[in-house]
Amino acid sequence: EAGVVQSPRYKIIEKKQPVAFWCNPISGHNTLYWYRQNLGQGPELLIRYENEEAVDDSQLPKDRFSAERLKGVDSTLKIQPAELGDSAVYLCASRLTGVADTQYFGPGTRLTVL
Amino acid sequence: DQQVKQNSPSLSVQEGRISILNCDYTNSMFDYFLWYKKYPAEGPTFLISISSIKDKNEDGRFTVFLNKSAKHLSLHIVPSQPGDSAVYFCAYRGSTLGRLYFGRGTQLTVWP
Repeated sequence: EAGVVQSPRYKIIEKKQPVAFWCNPISGHNTLYWYRQNLGQGPELLIRYENEEAVDDSQLPKDRFSAERLKGVDSTLKIQPAELGDSAVYLCASRLTGVADTQYFGPGTRLTVL
Repeated sequence: DQQVKQNSPSLSVQEGRISILNCDYTNSMFDYFLWYKKYPAEGPTFLISISSIKDKNEDGRFTVFLNKSAKHLSLHIVPSQPGDSAVYFCAYRGSTLGRLYFGRGTQLTVWP
């Protein structure tokens, strides 16, 4: 069974540029999460989707961050414009709702903003 | 404000010995705790969990202990193997279903 797929794995951009990350969850997993992990920290939730609905986006900086999961499968997280402090690893995770509390994480996208 | 604290950023253990990773929490309402392991350039992977109604859960070489009075969680790995070298995160499941709150992690190094 394929795991959570994320792309790109690495991205380097200059500040004020836009950037987008893509995530394809495990097939059949209707819950999808985006986390941000800063250096030396644990992952922090940005947004959670149940199918195509964003049910927890309280930690998403909405002035510059946006996310979508139009068909309830894959998802895109966008930053526009990027700031130096956005440099981090962006992790996507998925879970089969109601089955278990285990979240399955993708390998992440390492973003460097110069 | 970190509600889950892993105060040791690193731990070094000889192969075959016991590794003990510690985690403290502040909120007595937390009801479900998890440990995740992370290798470089990979996402965290689930290792073991424990409900607050238990004080111990065991899975092979891994045992998690929960001391509710001390608000303390620990992960024991016996015997430790070089392949266990990774960053270990403790986490709790918040009131919102599915949201996890992670500690900062402890880098475990198991040397031959």
